Amino acid sequence: AQKITQTQPGMFVQEKEAVTLDCTYDTSDQSYGLFWYKQPSSGEMIFLIYQGSYDEQNATEGRYSLNFQKARKSANLVISASQLGDSAMYFCAMREVNTGNQFYFGTGTSLTVIP
Amino acid sequence: ETGVTQTPRHLVMGMTNKKSLKCEQHLGHNAMYWYKQSAKKPLELMFVYNFKEQTENNSVPSRFSPECPNSSHLFLHLHTLQPEDSALYLCASSQEGAGDDWGDTQYFGPGTRLTVL
Repeated sequence: AQKITQTQPGMFVQEKEAVTLDCTYDTSDQSYGLFWYKQPSSGEMIFLIYQGSYDEQNATEGRYSLNFQKARKSANLVISASQLGDSAMYFCAMREVNTGNQFYFGTGTSLTVIP
Repeated sequence: ETGVTQTPRHLVMGMTNKKSLKCEQHLGHNAMYWYKQSAKKPLELMFVYNFKEQTENNSVPSRFSPECPNSSHLFLHLHTLQPEDSALYLCASSQEGAGDDWGDTQYFGPGTRLTVL
């Protein structure tokens, strides 16, 4: 079974609007971390935001926030006030405490910001 | 130099060539990783090094051979590759590779775009 599922292969958003990128995960561990990365066309994976499984509050980093719903096993990324430079691939990832260094990545969502 | 650097950024090689990819991290991290990224597939973890010791080898063919001479440098030696090995190869590092630190964030380099003819 897929550990990380991103069901939106492509998304479009108007500049200055907010957008939500979906991510669901599958784990039986109680301790895990959830991550979002951005990959522009240049190829580099840029770390955006982290949420720990025991964190009670949703993580926020500038215009990025993570909508963490533990019971539903979802960790959606919300980008507020979209900018043209936000156009990129976005990957959700998870690390479980019981699998050491293994990061599980989703297949990604391609976001295009329209002027 | 800051962060994680990778060279070369692009590489074209024939199936009988031998080449090496280089990764260097300037973050003082102790764990380093090689990933393969193919079109429309999730990232595939290939190798993990923790304090210079290899701790993961995810059933990677022997035509890929990693080397980690110190905690700042990681190499991927390539020989007799196949066209299906064409992909983006990403290197990453993290502070420490302890299995119980599920918040240990990985930081990536820009990748090497490999084409095997």
